[in-house]
Amino acid sequence: ELKVEQNPLFLSMQEGKNYTIYCNYSTTSDRLYWYRQDPGKSLESLFVLLSNGAVKQEGRLMASLDTKARLSTLHITAAVHDLSATYFCVAMRDDKIIFGKGTRLHILP
Amino acid sequence: DVKVTQSSRYLVKRTGEKVFLECVQDMDHENMFWYRQDPGLGLRLIYFSYDVKMKEKGDIPEGYSVSREKKERFSLILESASTNQTSMYLCASSLIAGRNWFFGPGTRLLVL
Repeated sequence: ELKVEQNPLFLSMQEGKNYTIYCNYSTTSDRLYWYRQDPGKSLESLFVLLSNGAVKQEGRLMASLDTKARLSTLHITAAVHDLSATYFCVAMRDDKIIFGKGTRLHILP
Repeated sequence: DVKVTQSSRYLVKRTGEKVFLECVQDMDHENMFWYRQDPGLGLRLIYFSYDVKMKEKGDIPEGYSVSREKKERFSLILESASTNQTSMYLCASSLIAGRNWFFGPGTRLLVL
């Protein structure tokens, strides 16, 4: 059974700091997604990671995938307040889609 | 831009009422999904559809049904609403199964 675990579930950090959100999944996954959700709003696609070693970057966010370790990371560089949101990791296998519980990120000015 | 719209942003219903949540997408996507989102539980799949008149149960279908009479519209039905169905409901669509989903704005349902 495919399970997805994110940690931490809540993170409060200062602007300018770096941090990493971790996403572990329990069995092989065909692909791995990261989504962002702002309070009261819907989910917005950030990255799709398709293969081992894949790295995607946009602005201060960088996502990577290690299929051997069954681990994806979302790294935040020099955080800014605008990045405050909840970030979801999503794994997929055989058309079954499993969401992580989300990491609520709060960046303090 | 893909647009996924949901009929209501906020809805208040009473226990036992029949509730319809409508979702419409304008990009001719084959696949449509209904999720509910609850604090501490993340998103859970209720039902999905890969084609018109086709439906598949997700992880938590109990108490819900769906209808897909037209490709662009996917409706979630609560036959007899209960308080434990108070939640945020998110509709999503995708062109190809397993590719990026586009989410609607969500419907926050309160059942009294």
